[in-house]
Amino acid sequence: DSGVTQTPKHLITATGQRVTLRCSPRSGDLSVYWYQQSLDQGLQFLIQYYNGEERAKGNILERFSAQQFPDLHSELNLSSLELGDSALYFCASSVASGRKGGELFFGEGSRLTVL
Amino acid sequence: AQSVAQPEDQVNVAEGNPLTVKCTYSVSGNPYLFWYVQYPNRGLQFLLKYITGDNLVKGSYGFEAEFNKSQTSFHLKKPSALVSDSALYFCAVRDMSNNAGNMLTFGGGTRLMVKP
Repeated sequence: DSGVTQTPKHLITATGQRVTLRCSPRSGDLSVYWYQQSLDQGLQFLIQYYNGEERAKGNILERFSAQQFPDLHSELNLSSLELGDSALYFCASSVASGRKGGELFFGEGSRLTVL
Repeated sequence: AQSVAQPEDQVNVAEGNPLTVKCTYSVSGNPYLFWYVQYPNRGLQFLLKYITGDNLVKGSYGFEAEFNKSQTSFHLKKPSALVSDSALYFCAVRDMSNNAGNMLTFGGGTRLMVKP
């Protein structure tokens, strides 16, 4: 158990809908990262937050947004869903941000299926 | 921009034989390198990392990896494979240059199949 909690584990929805994925980082970790894992794109970095502020942005679509709350949990919002958004979405956390060598600890993922 | 290549989609090895899963990287600054393993329907689990120091790094479950700066490689190795090692393995790099973020960039993954 990594200590990172993601909900829901599975989600099935229709095209055009909006969903919210939730992540609670390990106790004491200030950084949260979101990754998308799909069969054809592999693991893609979406966005990072550190202590409530956006720190880095990757290949995140404009239809997607995220935030980190004062209690350090994070939410990833996916809107106007398309079939291609079907994927496994991972949250990971680490103690620090910036030029540190700490590893990331991953949650079990949220599997999104768009029909 | 940082990148990682795992040239083999799948590696097959017999139980008890040594295994190697290959990884090469590209960064503009110094690299921090990581290996993760993913079992079916699970998240990624950290195996080991190279930050600095000895080029041979030892990690969990008997795995080790060798950092080779001249070949920009960080291959994962294990002297004697187990059937339970069968999983998806990811190499990742963090670029430690000033303007890089703290994210890890992952390779495409290599599926390791250990046959009894």
